[in-house]
Amino acid sequence: QVQLVQSGAEVKKPGASVKVSCRASGYSFRTYGINWVRQAPGQGLEWMGWISTYNGNTNYAQNVQGRVTMATDTSTSTVYMELRSLRSDDTGVYFCARDRHSEIRDAFDMWGQGTKVTV
Amino acid sequence: SYELTQPPSVSVSPGQTASITCSGDDLGDKYVCWYQQKPGQSPVLVIYQDTKRPSGIPERFSGSNSGNTATLTISGTQAMDEADYYCQAWDSSVYVFGPGTKVTVL
Repeated sequence: QVQLVQSGAEVKKPGASVKVSCRASGYSFRTYGINWVRQAPGQGLEWMGWISTYNGNTNYAQNVQGRVTMATDTSTSTVYMELRSLRSDDTGVYFCARDRHSEIRDAFDMWGQGTKVTV
Repeated sequence: SYELTQPPSVSVSPGQTASITCSGDDLGDKYVCWYQQKPGQSPVLVIYQDTKRPSGIPERFSGSNSGNTATLTISGTQAMDEADYYCQAWDSSVYVFGPGTKVTVL
């Protein structure tokens, strides 16, 4: 079954760090990049960044640049997103989402179930 | 930075057509996709590359994109289509989401 499964909910204090995992299964992991998207309570979707599962290249959104690190572990088909110096406005649900195409940046065709982070 | 705008809400009667707009500078020059999100669930891709439907998405969902406006159209709207809808575009190496439109089926 093709899916992305994320780690469980986290509660953190301001200033701390959180690390969320996203494990892929059912497809060739290194073919499609993974994005991270977050959603504050009652708010819209916000793209945080992208990581190539092929070579580990990253592209971070300006609003989290300097506080976020994305990494891959190809041995376990898992992508990690770490956010540091947490603030109250980092509270929300964090999603990982797969690129629809290996070479075209246009859409996300599969999403994880979301991880609730409370600061 | 690039911005997309959407109406906050759209209301539609069952069986009628709902149209949701997404506006941005020269949006017609970019690929636009649309996601449906129901409460407590992850988003689902319903349209990509302006007009294409992923496998499993009903034919009543269609899209267009020209000039500064992209439109998601739901024909013969059903109660199950009640959800938030987000447009998304790729600009200058970043993804941008619209603020979302709540579709209510009355």
